[in-house]
Amino acid sequence: DGGITQSPKYLFRKEGQNVTLSCEQNLNHDAMYWYRQDPGQGLRLIYYSQIVNDFQKGDIAEGYSVSREKKESFPLTVTSAQKNPTAFYLCASSGRVPPPDSPLHFGNGTRLTVT
Amino acid sequence: RKEVEQDPGPFNVPEGATVAFNCTYSNSASQSFFWYRQDCRKEPKLLMSVYSSGNEDGRFTAQLNRASQYISLLIRDSKLSDSATYLCAGSSGGYNKLIFGAGTRLAVHP
Repeated sequence: DGGITQSPKYLFRKEGQNVTLSCEQNLNHDAMYWYRQDPGQGLRLIYYSQIVNDFQKGDIAEGYSVSREKKESFPLTVTSAQKNPTAFYLCASSGRVPPPDSPLHFGNGTRLTVT
Repeated sequence: RKEVEQDPGPFNVPEGATVAFNCTYSNSASQSFFWYRQDCRKEPKLLMSVYSSGNEDGRFTAQLNRASQYISLLIRDSKLSDSATYLCAGSSGGYNKLIFGAGTRLAVHP
């Protein structure tokens, strides 16, 4: 079955450590995204990539980095510079067609806790 | 002002009720709109796209009002299983970059 896989589901880290969240998709989608969700809040866009080897900052990119070396993969690194990294991280992808026929499809998320 | 705004709720309704949610957007250039459903501690799942002419999918009806810059979701004959948070999303600054509202929580009770 096609889909988006995020791993791990839960991640615990000590403050000051960098951590990388994995996101893989086999939907042959061109565009991939990282969102962050805090309790009681909506999704906020961290980074997005519309094509391999290219990505753009979203609304809250500070303290995060990404790479897009392969179409299928869009890993997110949460660096020690991110002041409040504890959150629910969601990866998504969409096809390269004009909207409205290309909504986002989400992975099942990674819950990161930094203490 | 947030680009996409929703009433957080919660909306507490009995089974069988009809309930409507609105979502306002500030970017008049937004072209695409969607409703997502999110269960507790799960990822959002696409409920339906919102078309200019309005669209229906079973008990769910979505409408877009460009003049007043809002979209709506109507749920008829509510079921217990409809209890969830409903997120609206609109495109911003280019294709497929979606901005999400904070969500409206719906609780359907027996």
